[in-house]
Amino acid sequence: DTAVSQTPKYLVTQMGNDKSIKCEQNLGHDTMYWYKQDSKKFLKIMFSYNNKELIINETVPNRFSPKSPDKAHLNLHINSLELGDSAVYFCASSQDLGQGPYNEQFFGPGTRLTVL
Amino acid sequence: AQKITQTQPGMFVQEKEAVTLDCTYDTSDQSYGLFWYKQPSSGEMIFLIYQGSYDEQNATEGRYSLNFQKARKSANLVISASQLGDSAMYFCAMREGLRGANSKLTFGKGITLSVRP
Repeated sequence: DTAVSQTPKYLVTQMGNDKSIKCEQNLGHDTMYWYKQDSKKFLKIMFSYNNKELIINETVPNRFSPKSPDKAHLNLHINSLELGDSAVYFCASSQDLGQGPYNEQFFGPGTRLTVL
Repeated sequence: AQKITQTQPGMFVQEKEAVTLDCTYDTSDQSYGLFWYKQPSSGEMIFLIYQGSYDEQNATEGRYSLNFQKARKSANLVISASQLGDSAMYFCAMREGLRGANSKLTFGKGITLSVRP
């Protein structure tokens, strides 16, 4: 009964290739996110989607294109991979609509992308 | 300016002792939330505790408590009775603005905690 799942867990590829990472959440949340964690462990948001609509796009290169077919899925496609794209990519979800305090973001296990 | 500052590069604590991990934040919003996450060596991100800017009492979750000092803009995590399994990287994060999908989570650089037997 995994809450937020990502596939694949590891991805090793050559520079210039195109690859996708898939994310699914079964928590019924309305918002999903992609974060990038670099080699120094710094976590930075890339995108957020609310009910399939792109909300946040944090100055990410156009080579990165998120796609949300439904509110339970948020995939990340990366074109023309570069060495600097090597990182751990985390998907997360939270329930954002309504009033009240913030809810925590539940993270997926991460996808370690290595570009050679 | 950094939104979340975690300046302790690495912390060591003896098993069964308490430890405080520091976090200061910077925001002009009145409504915000502060979070702590744990990342063990296996890599997953584990939510630990949350403090809302309007909460009058410090948050507690089992052995975790958050020492929230609003005037100082600090939200330190206190772990009581440290266990070997607490060895991990700890991230402080903040969410600003009204609740909604356009209010993003901003993370600090993290603190590595090592628990000695």
